[in-house]
Amino acid sequence: DAKTTQPNSMESNEEEPVHLPCNHSTISGTDYIHWYRQLPSQGPEYVIHGLTSNVNNRMASLAIAEDRKSSTLILHRATLRDAAVYYCILRDLGAQKLVFGQGTRLTINP
Amino acid sequence: DTGVSQDPRHKITKRGQNVTFRCDPISEHNRLYWYRQTLGQGPEFLTYFQNEAQLEKSRLLSDRFSAERPKGSFSTLEIQRTEQGDSAMYLCASSLVASSGNTIYFGEGSWLTVV
Repeated sequence: DAKTTQPNSMESNEEEPVHLPCNHSTISGTDYIHWYRQLPSQGPEYVIHGLTSNVNNRMASLAIAEDRKSSTLILHRATLRDAAVYYCILRDLGAQKLVFGQGTRLTINP
Repeated sequence: DTGVSQDPRHKITKRGQNVTFRCDPISEHNRLYWYRQTLGQGPEFLTYFQNEAQLEKSRLLSDRFSAERPKGSFSTLEIQRTEQGDSAMYLCASSLVASSGNTIYFGEGSWLTVV
């Protein structure tokens, strides 16, 4: 599975936008970019995924660089409930499983 | 909305005892996964089933671990002769394999403490 690189931790303020970066310079043409988050003492939760185009859903937006070597998860207006570990994962369309890295621990300040 | 259900949520056991965790996937999901997560680490893949067939096992799944999904619905993960190093959260996940994609949904996990 191709590798992703994320900052270990980030901090932001409540009600402000948050941009979580992910580098994946060895991404292949069939790798989808998935984001999951894990709140304290809970299982991972699906956030969003995309292949080439930017994607929006009710939770977040995913901005994918034109060369697909990096992507950014955007939380438009952070709340305290968004404090979690965010995982950026590359997954080939035919892949059977998710391979998690260390993720980014996001802290939201009131 | 019934998600992935895991039972028990917490288990404390003495070293050497056997423990079993149960997972009920989302209805009609044909794929079921088990992961393990220790403090400060991301989840690590253990094994997965497609219906009742166990198709892949990680090297992390030692001989003391066994997983089953007898009727292609719920699954059990048994750990025999538990060791302190088995203390972790055991996560179950499920998905529906379809042409449109295969989003994986996780349960809330079963915490195991071996004393």
